[in-house]
Amino acid sequence: GEDVEQSLFLSVREGDSSVINCTYTDSSSTYLYWYKQEPGAGLQLLTYIFSNMDMKQDQRLTVLLNKKDKHLSLRIADTQTGDSAIYFCAESSPGSNYQLIWGAGTKLIIKP
Amino acid sequence: DTAVSQTPKYLVTQMGNDKSIKCEQNLGHDTMYWYKQDSKKFLKIMFSYNNKELIINETVPNRFSPKSPDKAHLNLHINSLELGDSAVYFCASSQAQGDSEKLFFGSGTQLSVL
Repeated sequence: GEDVEQSLFLSVREGDSSVINCTYTDSSSTYLYWYKQEPGAGLQLLTYIFSNMDMKQDQRLTVLLNKKDKHLSLRIADTQTGDSAIYFCAESSPGSNYQLIWGAGTKLIIKP
Repeated sequence: DTAVSQTPKYLVTQMGNDKSIKCEQNLGHDTMYWYKQDSKKFLKIMFSYNNKELIINETVPNRFSPKSPDKAHLNLHINSLELGDSAVYFCASSQAQGDSEKLFFGSGTQLSVL
């Protein structure tokens, strides 16, 4: 079946940029999503990108999509302690009837 | 005015017991889900209902039975609880807009089976 992969951990210094990477296998992916899970809470949709776009920016967040390499990244500028969370990448496609295929999540650790 | 609310937040119980988790959404969404998140944070879909009808039923033991009395509610009943059922269970809802599925999650129910 289709797969979405992410590194399990990323450690950055406060104030630096964080780049969380995700790769996926489904070449017919239509939408790609980033969800954030803070400790003890449910997941919240951060942002998403349609597959015909290669970049989307929203304040401190920049999403880059390389469709040829099936690579998605989330850049968080000026990382703050409140950004500490697990970030999940997900994709949907006609092949999965638009149900989300999830990555394992990347835990973002902020060092002072 | 919580969008997706589930109760209880914590559930501690003995092996062999039967328990239920309730979920309600006030977003007017047509689709609701149950997800299981294990101790390594892997997220796995269990069930999905659209307008009270089951549309996804992943490989889940039949001890787990979802029930949707109306499209705003999706409850999860678990019979004969086992140690391996210990996890965080998340309810979610979505309203398809074109081909995108934006999910709204509840805050989770942490189930501990002793």
